Amino acid sequence: QSALTQPASVSGSPGQSITVSCTGTSSDVGSYNLVSWYLQHPGKAPKLLVYEDTKRPSGVSNRFSGSKSGNTASLTISGLQAEDEADYYCCSYARGTTLVFGGGTKLTVL
Amino acid sequence: EVQLVESGGGLVQPGRSLRLSCAASGFSFDDYAMHWVRQAPGKGLEWVSGISWNSGSIGYADSVKGRFTISRDNAKNSLYLQMNSLRAEDMALYYCAKDRWGNIVGGALDYWGQGTLVTVSS
Repeated sequence: QSALTQPASVSGSPGQSITVSCTGTSSDVGSYNLVSWYLQHPGKAPKLLVYEDTKRPSGVSNRFSGSKSGNTASLTISGLQAEDEADYYCCSYARGTTLVFGGGTKLTVL
Repeated sequence: EVQLVESGGGLVQPGRSLRLSCAASGFSFDDYAMHWVRQAPGKGLEWVSGISWNSGSIGYADSVKGRFTISRDNAKNSLYLQMNSLRAEDMALYYCAKDRWGNIVGGALDYWGQGTLVTVSS
């Protein structure tokens, strides 16, 4: 159960697009269409942004989109806004009836 | 409105036990899988355990396997985490989270509580 690999930080200016990567293995990200993404503001509970690789729950802005290629999943945020500044986590089902999170990525809006 | 309220956290000595509870409301509790996720101070999220709607499928992180036990009481709309042999590295904010689906395979945690803090120290 090794954690998924995410960059520690990314940054972008308002209006730009950024992408957060999430690299796993053929035992988790690469084998199942079960990657989810979460946003967490400081001191708050996480919020689901994307599930099953690409699906968005109702109420989540279409500025957030998920994709995947091989063992790497990605979250793209378009039209960056100041309120997007937060920590972002990916999560995947892993063989053996477990879930595994990424280490988290801190997004800074310049 | 979906609400998840955790309780049972506190200060505990290494090697002792603690039982966390999560009271759920605002949805059909017995239709959905539930999970515990923890976050150590200043650190990232770590999945701890999950249980399917009927308790037929249960999973644990390797870090807690054999020490923690997840359970649920659908009649009481409640989720539990029995934590034994606690260690310093178990100190964290423990979140209760609802899955979008009945099985824990999906891993789409769509509602979260505010967490209960577990401090392990002598």
